[in-house]
Amino acid sequence: GEDVEQSLFLSVREGDSSVINCTYTDSSSTYLYWYKQEPGAGLQLLTYIFSNMDMKQDQRLTVLLNKKDKHLSLRIADTQTGDSAIYFCAESPNYGQNFVFGPGTRLSVLP
Amino acid sequence: DADVTQTPRNRITKTGKRIMLECSQTKGHDRMYWYRQDPGLGLRLIYYSFDVKDINKGEISDGYSVSRQAQAKFSLSLESAIPNQTALYFCATSDGTGFGNQPQHFGDGTRLSIL
Repeated sequence: GEDVEQSLFLSVREGDSSVINCTYTDSSSTYLYWYKQEPGAGLQLLTYIFSNMDMKQDQRLTVLLNKKDKHLSLRIADTQTGDSAIYFCAESPNYGQNFVFGPGTRLSVLP
Repeated sequence: DADVTQTPRNRITKTGKRIMLECSQTKGHDRMYWYRQDPGLGLRLIYYSFDVKDINKGEISDGYSVSRQAQAKFSLSLESAIPNQTALYFCATSDGTGFGNQPQHFGDGTRLSIL
C-alpha cells in the first residue's frame, strides 16, 4: 500500500537553510504536497508540486521532486523562528481516493 | 471567519460516553474528511464523503460513525468512547472537480480526551 516517510525531527539555526525530506511509494501520484502545522492549529497548505515538475520555487520555499527515487524535499531559505512547526509531506494517488500523509517533521529553529 | 469550523475545540469526557464532533465549511467543497492525529503517526483517515449521499470508511473507522447532514456539514460520532480514542481530530474539505486530488483544507482541530 501507499506509505510516506519523513524523519521526525530537524533542528537548525536561525538564518540557515532547512531541508526537510520525504519519500513516498506511489509513483502514480499526481500531486505532492507540503503542509505546515503550528501549535494548536490545523494543517495549512504550504505548497505543492505537480508530478511532471522537478522543482518549484515560491519565495523562501523550494520544492524538489525526484520521481525516479520517489523523493521529495522542502527547502526553507533563511529559516526564521516563525518557521518552527511540524511539516507534513502528503501524496495524492491519481487513481485512488485519498491523500496519504507522512508522520510529520518537527522543525525547531534555534536562535 | 474560518472556512472550515470544528466544534468543540476541546472536550474531556469519560469512557463509555457518546460524543459528537461537528464540522461545517463555507468553501463550497463537495468532499469532506475526518482524520485523527497521534504523535509520530501523522494523520490517519477515519471516514470520508464525496457528496451528501456518499460515505466511505477510511483506514481506522472502527469505533466511529459519521453523518453528512448537508454539503456543508459532516459530523463524527464516537458511540461509546474509549481511552485510546484520545487524540486530536481534524476535519478537512477539498474540491472534487478538476484533475487529480485537489488540496485539502483543514479546520483547527478538536482535542478530545477520554478518561
